[in-house]
Amino acid sequence: GAVVSQHPSWVICKSGTSVKIECRSLDFQATTMFWYRQFPKQSLMLMATSNEGSKATYEQGVEKDKFLINHASLTLSTLTVTSAHPEDSSFYICSALGLAFTGELFFGEGSRLTVL
Amino acid sequence: DAKTTQPTSMDCAEGRAANLPCNHSTISGNEYVYWYRQIHSQGPQYIIHGLKNNETNEMASLIITEDRKSSTLILPHATLRDTAVYYCIVRVANFGNEKLTFGTGTRLTIIP
Repeated sequence: GAVVSQHPSWVICKSGTSVKIECRSLDFQATTMFWYRQFPKQSLMLMATSNEGSKATYEQGVEKDKFLINHASLTLSTLTVTSAHPEDSSFYICSALGLAFTGELFFGEGSRLTVL
Repeated sequence: DAKTTQPTSMDCAEGRAANLPCNHSTISGNEYVYWYRQIHSQGPQYIIHGLKNNETNEMASLIITEDRKSSTLILPHATLRDTAVYYCIVRVANFGNEKLTFGTGTRLTIIP
């Protein structure tokens, strides 16, 4: 199957700082990428959908100015958590949809953010 | 997308077949059934999907009832590495509606 890679896999930062998480499709071009957030013992919650070259579409309740998403190329999308606070500590996961849509979405390994 | 109902948790003995049920009684005619699993602290992994015919791949089999209101994911010979949360999702598989909405899933524990 196609490979989606996230970096970093884990990050610890101080409250008030910004953190950038990268999501790359390694062996295919991704027209659309999705960003999810998962709190402990809970399911994945979709945050936003990003299409290459256009603005991201955010789900209800997700602050677009706090979670900046950039999808500048067909292989890279970034999520920046701005002015992070402890309540932003979570597991962030991206998924990518390729040009040759075959039905399944491919997910990254996830990035665990801890804000002190 | 249609809602799905899954048992919260299940146990299965190692080496036996694990049968995970999913109810999707409000499924529409153009909605597929997808199964993903998530091993602890990893991203979800695609397993299998189907529309109305039974499907089989190297990981699992998917049995969909004739009325399509329920399905069963079968892991034929469960191993300890199959311990994970399994998500059953129904959605229309076409451009413009690709996002997946995850429910609570079934936590499958394989017992040695």
